[in-house]
Amino acid sequence: EDKVVQSPLSLVVHEGDTVTLNCSYEVTNFRSLLWYKQEKKAPTFLFMLTSSGIEKKSGRLSSILDKKELFSILNITATQTGDSAIYLCAVDSNYQLIWGAGTKLIIKP
Amino acid sequence: DGGITQSPKYLFRKEGQNVTLSCEQNLNHDAMYWYRQDPGQGLRLIYYSQIVNDFQKGDIAEGYSVSREKKESFPLTVTSAQKNPTAFYLCASSSQGSGANVLTFGAGSRLTVL
Repeated sequence: EDKVVQSPLSLVVHEGDTVTLNCSYEVTNFRSLLWYKQEKKAPTFLFMLTSSGIEKKSGRLSSILDKKELFSILNITATQTGDSAIYLCAVDSNYQLIWGAGTKLIIKP
Repeated sequence: DGGITQSPKYLFRKEGQNVTLSCEQNLNHDAMYWYRQDPGQGLRLIYYSQIVNDFQKGDIAEGYSVSREKKESFPLTVTSAQKNPTAFYLCASSSQGSGANVLTFGAGSRLTVL
């Protein structure tokens, strides 16, 4: 059975800290891995990863995929209170998205 | 601005009543999806549609129904057969098939059964 596991489930850090969120997967036919940020309502797209070892970067956020060890990490440096959100990971397997439970990140001022 | 509009944002329902959640998109996307989100769980797929007048069941379709009469619209009906309907419902769309591409989400509808 395809599955995606995110860790930790929740995380509280102080503003300015660096955080690393994890997403591991076991799927039958990997096509891509996607990261989303959900603040209060609509999840918004962050990154799509298809190749191992190639970092995707957007400002203070970056992500990388390891297809051999079957995981991805999402890094956020110099965190701000606006980074507080649920971060969702999904894997496209056979054209179906398998979602992790999400990591709830809280940034304290 | 292009996007997905869900309505209502909040909805209360008595047990035994059917309710319909609206989802409209102006992105010209072919595929549309309905997900259910419960605390501590990943998004679960209820139904999806890749083209007009066609739709498929997702993982948790029991107690739900949909229609796709227009490309822009994909309403979801939560029927009285759904045992535990209280949840946050998200509608999404994509331009290339089921799960094959990046999804754009609406702001969600929160349904509470009293």
